[in-house]
Amino acid sequence: QQPVQSPQAVILREGEDAVINCSSSKALYSVHWYRQKHGEAPVFLMILLKGGEQKGHDKISASFNEKKQQSSLYLTASQLSYSGTYFCGTGGHNNNDMRFGAGTRLTVKP
Amino acid sequence: DAMVIQNPRYQVTQFGKPVTLSCSQTLNHNVMYWYQQKSSQAPKLLFHYYDKDFNNEADTPDNFQSRRPNTSFCFLDIRSPGLGDAAMYLCATSRVGSGTEAFFGQGTRLTVV
Repeated sequence: QQPVQSPQAVILREGEDAVINCSSSKALYSVHWYRQKHGEAPVFLMILLKGGEQKGHDKISASFNEKKQQSSLYLTASQLSYSGTYFCGTGGHNNNDMRFGAGTRLTVKP
Repeated sequence: DAMVIQNPRYQVTQFGKPVTLSCSQTLNHNVMYWYQQKSSQAPKLLFHYYDKDFNNEADTPDNFQSRRPNTSFCFLDIRSPGLGDAAMYLCATSRVGSGTEAFFGQGTRLTVV
């Protein structure tokens, strides 16, 4: 079953922050975050494995609330290069059936 | 160096004419996936292999078949492409286990005329 993402689209000015949410009706063993630019393959951002885990690099970070079956991606002080569609992916215990949410289209304007 | 390679990048096929898309990997990953992605939509899982074990999604049409002759290669066969099958097809690989990322190929954009 596909995870649910929100919002569907976000428009930001450079330097502004955004939060993208991902939730599932099934138990989550891991949450993956990917960014896809138009016409390109998805690019891996990070995986969260444990409830309460938080990760980040540069100004992109994520959290995972296992109990609530939710994850959030935080983009801080956004840059033009952050534009793209962000997908969360969730899989079963062995990660063998990863499914993606519908995506959040992020546009960062100068 | 590309680790998941899809060929061709662009494929034009005629309505109803069988077509095969290929994917190869140099990562020695157990799991290989095929996704279909239509414009402005999420990648939709069609099927995946865990080694030679084939797992078909319940809503994947019978028109789509797959073969994995060895660890490195995986093929997507569309037996009778319809106009609605035009999409980007993405192949991905991962190791088994929930802590591993998926590596994607560049995709094959299929056009049906």
